[in-house]
Amino acid sequence: KAGVTQTPRYLIKTRGQQVTLSCSPISGHRSVSWYQQTPGQGLQFLFEYFSETQRNKGNFPGRFSGRQFSNSRSEMNVSTLELGDSALYLCASSFSGKGYEQYFGPGTRLTVT
Amino acid sequence: GDSVTQMEGPVTLSEEAFLTINCTYTATGYPSLFWYVQYPGEGLQLLLKATKADDKGSNKGFEATYRKETTSFHLEKGSVQVSDSAVYFCALSDNSGNTPLVFGKGTRLSVIA
Repeated sequence: KAGVTQTPRYLIKTRGQQVTLSCSPISGHRSVSWYQQTPGQGLQFLFEYFSETQRNKGNFPGRFSGRQFSNSRSEMNVSTLELGDSALYLCASSFSGKGYEQYFGPGTRLTVT
Repeated sequence: GDSVTQMEGPVTLSEEAFLTINCTYTATGYPSLFWYVQYPGEGLQLLLKATKADDKGSNKGFEATYRKETTSFHLEKGSVQVSDSAVYFCALSDNSGNTPLVFGKGTRLSVIA
């Protein structure tokens, strides 16, 4: 069974631009979660989608948004990029999210200059 | 709310040394507990899990026992290798699906030959 895939793997953007990251979960998984990982703040939860609905949301500004499609693939968007948005963005999928383990993708490394 | 506390790193060990990474949690109810590992430049990988008290999760020589009386889930390995050098994260799920996975801050392990 194929694992979680994320595209692109690396991205360089300029401050003020917007970016869209994509995540394809493991086949059959309906929950997709997004995390931001930085050296200073560690692993921070962004949001979780389940069956195309946002089920949980972390404490991030409205510039960060996401969505999930009917095939469970998910995208996250960051508008008006700031230097502090430079991070590794990780996507994780699970069967239902209710106590089931999450499986992570390799991440997208975003650098904002 | 629920929380996970891990021992601060970094931890540096010689090859074949015994490893313990402490993890304690605070949760209402009966959470599921996980250890994840992140190798350099990669996403997180599920290392092991336990879903109820006294369960022992094990994988690749690593073990952790769900101790409800001490609210702990310490990670152990009898003989570490250089290839075990990574960041280890303890996490819990309240099994409701209403809240995201809660992660500890991670413990960096370096094993030297």
